[in-house]
Amino acid sequence: KQEVTQIPAALSVPEGENLVLNCSFTDSAIYNLQWFRQDPGKGLTSLLLIQSSQREQTSGRLNASLDKSSGRSTLYIAASQPGDSATYLCAVSFGNEKLTFGTGTRLTIIP
Amino acid sequence: GAVVSQHPSRVICKSGTSVKIECRSLDFQATTMFWYRQFPKKSLMLMATSNEGSKATYEQGVEKDKFLINHASLTLSTLTVTSAHPEDSSFYICGLADHLSTDTQYFGPGTRLTVL
Repeated sequence: KQEVTQIPAALSVPEGENLVLNCSFTDSAIYNLQWFRQDPGKGLTSLLLIQSSQREQTSGRLNASLDKSSGRSTLYIAASQPGDSATYLCAVSFGNEKLTFGTGTRLTIIP
Repeated sequence: GAVVSQHPSRVICKSGTSVKIECRSLDFQATTMFWYRQFPKKSLMLMATSNEGSKATYEQGVEKDKFLINHASLTLSTLTVTSAHPEDSSFYICGLADHLSTDTQYFGPGTRLTVL
């Protein structure tokens, strides 16, 4: 059974700092990995999707990397802003469209 | 990306009643939709896969007779929580996959169900 873990569970950093969120998965035979953002009481917003053949994806201040062999992905956020405060979830897919979600990291950016 | 709506956004009901949650794809025809449940401070757990025109596929441990799913059209899937109990109180989110392009999944805003 695929397990997806995110460390840390919670993170607080001062505004302007760069930060890294971690995601690890036990089964490396993934099809793709996706990072989402969830605001309190809201649905999910897709941030980045990395196909299994890719090493990284970038969107603005966000950069996601994937090391399939070691079962790890990171989400790098540059120059953090208070508006980045949210819970960040990674999710893996095995090609059947079903997603297995990680445990999430609750990020707080301190103004 | 695809726009997904859910209705209602929040519902409070008495124990024993049934609650219907709608998930609509506003600009995308989805043959497959997914229903997830999220307990407080927990991650999302897939409950079932909703297939247009056929029966839903339920994950292990999810009671199909309690969580009725109907995917009657390419833009609408409904989840009915039958005879709801307080332990069914949760955040229910639907999603769909844009498998024609990037495999990205898009999610609705969620429905907060509270059973008294």
